[in-house]
Amino acid sequence: DAGVIQSPRHEVTEMGQEVTLRCKPISGHDYLFWYRQTMMRGLELLIYFNNNVPIDDSGMPEDRFSAKMPNASFSTLKIQPSEPRDSAVYFCASSFGGVHSYEQYFGPGTRLTVT
Amino acid sequence: AQSVTQLGSHVSVSEGALVLLRCNYSSSVPPYLFWYVQYPNQGLQLLLKYTSAATLVKGINGFEAEFKKSETSFHLTKPSAHMSDAAEYFCAVIHGSGNTGKLIFGQGTTLQVKP
Repeated sequence: DAGVIQSPRHEVTEMGQEVTLRCKPISGHDYLFWYRQTMMRGLELLIYFNNNVPIDDSGMPEDRFSAKMPNASFSTLKIQPSEPRDSAVYFCASSFGGVHSYEQYFGPGTRLTVT
Repeated sequence: AQSVTQLGSHVSVSEGALVLLRCNYSSSVPPYLFWYVQYPNQGLQLLLKYTSAATLVKGINGFEAEFKKSETSFHLTKPSAHMSDAAEYFCAVIHGSGNTGKLIFGQGTTLQVKP
């Protein structure tokens, strides 16, 4: 398996622009997570899905952020409009929620810079 | 609610010395516990996990961790540090009863290995 795939790996955009981050989870995994990592705040869970349904979006910073999972093999995280404080590394992770499992497999991340 | 606390945001050891990274957990139910490692510019990678089987858990790259209920600890150790072990390490616990798949991460400990 190729692991969790994220695109793009790097994104530089100007303030006010829309940004879309993409994630393909590992086949067969039923949980998908979006995280944000910064030096100041560490690793933050933004939202997670189970069987394509959003379960907990309490970590989403504000209405500018939205996430979708239209099918089991694809998810997007959108920021509109983007702001400089959104600059961070965004990770997608997936897991299989079976018994004695739950370890999450992380993608390589998308480094977002908003100028 | 479950939580983990990592003691020490930075740990420095000499190559060949013992590595000890500390993690204490808080959980109202028997916990599932994890250690992840993040190498520079990469996503998190699972090192090892405890899921209520053997209390001494062996992971990849020579790391191991011991679950001590009496001390509510899950410290990570390695007998002899290697330069390639320099990375950030995260302790994590499953949220809730284990059916949510959501991990609660500690703040991370950066391991520096000196030649």
